[in-house]
Amino acid sequence: DTEVTQTPKHLVMGMTNKKSLKCEQHMGHRAMYWYKQKAKKPPELMFVYSYEKLSINESVPSRFSPECPNSSLLNLHLHALQPEDSALYLCASSHRQGGIYEQYFGPGTRLTVT
Amino acid sequence: KNEVEQSPQNLTAQEGEFITINCSYSVGISALHWLQQHPGGGIVSLFMLSSGKKKHGRLIATINIQEKHSSLHITASHPRDSAVYICAATMYSGGGADGLTFGKGTHLIIQP
Repeated sequence: DTEVTQTPKHLVMGMTNKKSLKCEQHMGHRAMYWYKQKAKKPPELMFVYSYEKLSINESVPSRFSPECPNSSLLNLHLHALQPEDSALYLCASSHRQGGIYEQYFGPGTRLTVT
Repeated sequence: KNEVEQSPQNLTAQEGEFITINCSYSVGISALHWLQQHPGGGIVSLFMLSSGKKKHGRLIATINIQEKHSSLHITASHPRDSAVYICAATMYSGGGADGLTFGKGTHLIIQP
């Protein structure tokens, strides 16, 4: 299994809603990532988890709350989002190969905040 | 902070043409990634390079560490190659996992 899965594929939520994005991999990777991609822009790193611990937070607003319950699962909890948070949210996982982390991307969740 | 620059930003070519996309970066990196994204789609990793050259089918990626430059070549281009190609770099770190720093992408259109 060389796949990173993400659910849901699409999500529409109001500004007062609470929702969660889910990411899963069964490749034994110990690093997992959340990226945000706005239309026609490259992805931007949000969070990195390494061995289930948050290692990088790129100054992301607290309305985004990541969670890594185990080595296969990564969640992104969403609360009180703004319309400008509408974007494609990409999850990735990586393993160390010859000193380098090769990343595998999920298909993304397309989020619309109304 | 590492900057990753790509050129060209947009490229339109005829089917069969040889395509080159360039990427340069400002500081030392541990790896350079080439990624592909079709419109409305997710990201697929094409290559990860730390030195030399890699080939997969009609795609070739090269990197020159001294010049901090990488190229992605597509031979015998086909309309299905139309996509955004993104160069991304992994910085050197203390051994932990770092996220990628992305270039702005090259929007490639191959016309039949």
